[in-house]
Amino acid sequence: QKEVEQNSGPLSVPEGAIASLNCTYSDRGSQSFFWYRQYSGKSPELIMSIYSNGDKEDGRFTAQLNKASQYVSLLIRDSQPSDSATYLCAVKYNYGQNFVFGPGTRLSVLP
Amino acid sequence: GAVVSQHPSWVICKSGTSVKIECRSLDFQATTMFWYRQFPKQSLMLMATSNEGSKATYEQGVEKDKFLINHASLTLSTLTVTSAHPEDSSFYICSARDTSGSYEQYFGPGTRLTVT
Repeated sequence: QKEVEQNSGPLSVPEGAIASLNCTYSDRGSQSFFWYRQYSGKSPELIMSIYSNGDKEDGRFTAQLNKASQYVSLLIRDSQPSDSATYLCAVKYNYGQNFVFGPGTRLSVLP
Repeated sequence: GAVVSQHPSWVICKSGTSVKIECRSLDFQATTMFWYRQFPKQSLMLMATSNEGSKATYEQGVEKDKFLINHASLTLSTLTVTSAHPEDSSFYICSARDTSGSYEQYFGPGTRLTVT
């Protein structure tokens, strides 16, 4: 069974710090990885996609992928209170069209 | 770009009635749309994958006769909850995948269904 695991949190960081969110997945054949942000009562919003090993940066966000270790992470630099949300890791496996979502990590950025 | 809309944003209906939810991709074509359900403080649960012009693929445990999905065009998919019961009350969210080849899914704003 394909699984995506995340620490449920809450992860609390002070404003201005780096928030580090981690995700592990079970299937080595996975090819595409995504991070979504979901505010309470709202639908998920795509933050980053990453397909190759290494780092991918977009503004304050950096996604890191290590396929050998089967983990993907999201770093948020200069965290702001507005970053407080649940972050969902999603993995697309080699066959099929749908994603498998992790349970999400709740991030709280303290002013 | 990559905007997905849903209508209605919230609906209250009586037990036993049916409710239709629309999902539209506004600025791109989507051969594939997905329907999710999310209960409070829980993660997304995929209900079905909807392909334009063909029958939807339902996840295990999802009743296809209760949750009717139609994907009649490249920009519209509908989910009809038939004979709704209070336990169907949930947050229903659709997502769409661009036909350009990217695997990214873009989510609609969701529909909050309350069955009384």
